[in-house]
Amino acid sequence: DVKVTQSSRYLVKRTGEKVFLECVQDMDHENMFWYRQDPGLGLRLIYFSYDVKMKEKGDIPEGYSVSREKKERFSLILESASTNQTSMYLCASSSIVQGLEPQHFGDGTRLSIL
Amino acid sequence: DQQVKQNSPSLSVQEGRISILNCDYTNSMFDYFLWYKKYPAEGPTFLISISSIKDKNEDGRFTVFLNKSAKHLSLHIVPSQPGDSAVYFCAASEGSQGNLIFGKGTKLSVKP
Repeated sequence: DVKVTQSSRYLVKRTGEKVFLECVQDMDHENMFWYRQDPGLGLRLIYFSYDVKMKEKGDIPEGYSVSREKKERFSLILESASTNQTSMYLCASSSIVQGLEPQHFGDGTRLSIL
Repeated sequence: DQQVKQNSPSLSVQEGRISILNCDYTNSMFDYFLWYKKYPAEGPTFLISISSIKDKNEDGRFTVFLNKSAKHLSLHIVPSQPGDSAVYFCAASEGSQGNLIFGKGTKLSVKP
């Protein structure tokens, strides 16, 4: 079974802080993704990565950056946290093999910015 | 502009009956569709998928129907169980490796 682990389930930070959200997957997946989920808005893609050291912007990258130094780890960074970044953050991974391989999600980090 | 729409924010069904969750899309290039289920405080879990070369895919109690001409897909759960109560997200992509575009979700409540 694929395991995607997010380092924190709940996190409370202050406005202006630099925040790191960590995600690790154990299935040697090439692709990794960061989403945020907000009520009434569904899941929105922030950033994704198809390989180590590679990153691509998703639909809402403003205020965020990412790091992928190792294949199994994908970090989301809030450079200077703001209250509108209070949200549920979800990490996902998937394989590039052919076929209908779905993305596998972690349990999420609920981040509150005060 | 929303490319994947789930127009019903919520749905309530009696246990044992059929649940039908609907999803519409606007991008004719989408050819891979998935349904995810999400319980509170957990990440979404993959439920079932369908590619555009099919019009139906079945897995146990779950069946997904795809109507390409109407750009519409639906998820049928028969029979519905209280444990099916969750938020269901429809997602679509161009190709099986394309980025997923999610709908806003439908909250299903199955009453005993």
